[in-house]
Amino acid sequence: GQQVMQIPQYQHVQEGEDFTTYCNSSTTLSNIQWYKQRPGGHPVFLIQLVKSGEVKKQKRLTFQFGEAKKNSSLHITATQTTDVGTYFCASGSRLTFGEGTQLTVNP
Amino acid sequence: DAGITQSPRYKITETGRQVTLMCHQTWSHSYMFWYRQDLGHGLRLIYYSAAADITDKGEVPDGYVVSRSKTENFPLTLESATRSQTSVYFCASSLTLAGANVLTFGAGSRLTVL
Repeated sequence: GQQVMQIPQYQHVQEGEDFTTYCNSSTTLSNIQWYKQRPGGHPVFLIQLVKSGEVKKQKRLTFQFGEAKKNSSLHITATQTTDVGTYFCASGSRLTFGEGTQLTVNP
Repeated sequence: DAGITQSPRYKITETGRQVTLMCHQTWSHSYMFWYRQDLGHGLRLIYYSAAADITDKGEVPDGYVVSRSKTENFPLTLESATRSQTSVYFCASSLTLAGANVLTFGAGSRLTVL
């Protein structure tokens, strides 16, 4: 399967600060998906990227897929308390997940 | 996400007992998956199924058995539970987007093995 490594494992920010999580692979990825899991909840699909260099935005969230299709990032501008949760990247036909980045936001 | 349900939501059992976690989806999605989630390990794939009567192992299949006699159901059985199988189990089904599986997860089943 397509292995993905995610950093950082934890991120604490003040409300209003930006946040970025990174997903890296040693091999070329066919696609990358991002999921969000609220505390006590289940993962929810956010977005899928398939093209080299692709950038997609969802309100304050910006998703990028690297030119070499070996890395991806999720950037949140001006975090809010509603952004709290764990963000996972996943890739491959059997969807191998990264270990996730747990985001906490201090109000 | 009302279209995919897991039961039971919480289960406490003892070492050596058989446990079955149920998963039911109403969308007629072809693919279904079972993941376990543990601190420090993210989501790890146990088994998946591409269609009725077709199942395949994931990353951590040992100690688990699955079946898929009907498209809508994908039960996961621990034949002889061990403490290391204490975890949160998520079932998911998928539709295809641009040739890739996009997962919709159930609410999860929290299993404790004493």
